[in-house]
Amino acid sequence: AQSVTQLGSHVSVSEGALVLLRCNYSSSVPPYLFWYVQYPNQGLQLLLKYTSAATLVKGINGFEAEFKKSETSFHLTKPSAHMSDAAEYFCAVTNTDKLIFGTGTRLQVFP
Amino acid sequence: NAGVMQNPRHLVRRRGQEARLRCSPMKGHSHVYWYRQLPEEGLKFMVYLQKENIIDESGMPKERFSAEFPKEGPSILRIQQVVRGDSAAYFCASSAGQRSTDTQYFGPGTRLTVL
Repeated sequence: AQSVTQLGSHVSVSEGALVLLRCNYSSSVPPYLFWYVQYPNQGLQLLLKYTSAATLVKGINGFEAEFKKSETSFHLTKPSAHMSDAAEYFCAVTNTDKLIFGTGTRLQVFP
Repeated sequence: NAGVMQNPRHLVRRRGQEARLRCSPMKGHSHVYWYRQLPEEGLKFMVYLQKENIIDESGMPKERFSAEFPKEGPSILRIQQVVRGDSAAYFCASSAGQRSTDTQYFGPGTRLTVL
């Protein structure tokens, strides 16, 4: 069975600071991994996905994530936070038809 | 190119009533997924459909819930005799193919409130 654990339900950073959102996965087969962002009262928007090509994946809005098999991790980073990054972020894993989501991390950005 | 559309965006029902949630996939997409998001939780898979077929319903509650994706028209998620525990946001996603690497594009969701 596959699962995803997101460490830290809330993360707060100052504008301009590094953003690090953690995601660890469990999968008995090679996984495909995704990060989605959800703004208040909206649907999910894909930030980036790992599909077994390059281990460092670049996404939209300056975000990137690195697949580390030895650590079973897929942490999301952004060098410099912007106020508009405040949202909820979900990590997801799959190797079938359904996405398995983590419980989400709410990112707050302070001026 | 219109994205995934869901309606209504907000739905209020009293206990015992029926709720019908509609999802129109992106143009050219024939694969539809339904997910449920309970307050303060992540999304949970419910069902995966292709035109006129249910492919995977492993996440659907055994009673009161049903889904369809007819040859013509939107996909429908139907909840009969709603209870307060059904209050949640229901999201539809669509994809162009069924491979694990095919991106699922999400709609804005329907927020169901059961009084």
